[in-house]
Amino acid sequence: DAGVTQSPTHLIKTRGQQVTLRCSPKSGHDTVSWYQQALGQGPQFIFQYYEEEERQRGNFPDRFSGHQFPNYSSELNVNALLLGDSALYLCASSLDRLAGYNEQFFGPGTRLTVL
Amino acid sequence: GQNIDQPTEMTATEGAIVQINCTYQTSGFNGLFWYQQHAGEAPTFLSYNVLDGLEEKGRFSSFLSRSKGYSYLLLKELQMKDSASYLCAVSFNRDDKIIFGKGTRLHILP
Repeated sequence: DAGVTQSPTHLIKTRGQQVTLRCSPKSGHDTVSWYQQALGQGPQFIFQYYEEEERQRGNFPDRFSGHQFPNYSSELNVNALLLGDSALYLCASSLDRLAGYNEQFFGPGTRLTVL
Repeated sequence: GQNIDQPTEMTATEGAIVQINCTYQTSGFNGLFWYQQHAGEAPTFLSYNVLDGLEEKGRFSSFLSRSKGYSYLLLKELQMKDSASYLCAVSFNRDDKIIFGKGTRLHILP
């Protein structure tokens, strides 16, 4: 049973460029959440996708956008990269709330460095 | 805002017991998670509390007081591999969005 996978593992970009990160959820999961984790900080919620639509969004600018595909995989796109976008980007998958809580399983993350 | 507060760093000795505290704003509280994160790795789920009281799971236990907006993670019989960051996270208003604290970096000394 495959867990959450993310690609690429590492990425280096320059300011102003655009980047696309990918996530495949754990088998049987239908909900994908994206987090940004700066060094020494806790993960910050970016947004969540369910049924191919953005369901929740954190305090991130419109430069951050996403997509969910019919197979539940997801992409995170960041436009006009800034130095401050350098971080570990985590994808977490879960099964839509049934019993009152959603245990989220995290992928290994994509380390983005913006120069 | 929905602030989650926990100590930045703690140090303990191998074989000992350590308690990591977490406080949060109670308005809209739904449930509280604890995650462990080793350096350079993804967070892994440790526990979930929604009702008051202590949940025990092997060497790890988690406590919740909803009225006080307070939780702690208790680690017993500490091992060197327990050196990691411990993240307290809260879900509010039955949203699926989870708000994380900044994490507590735990150092274990031999």
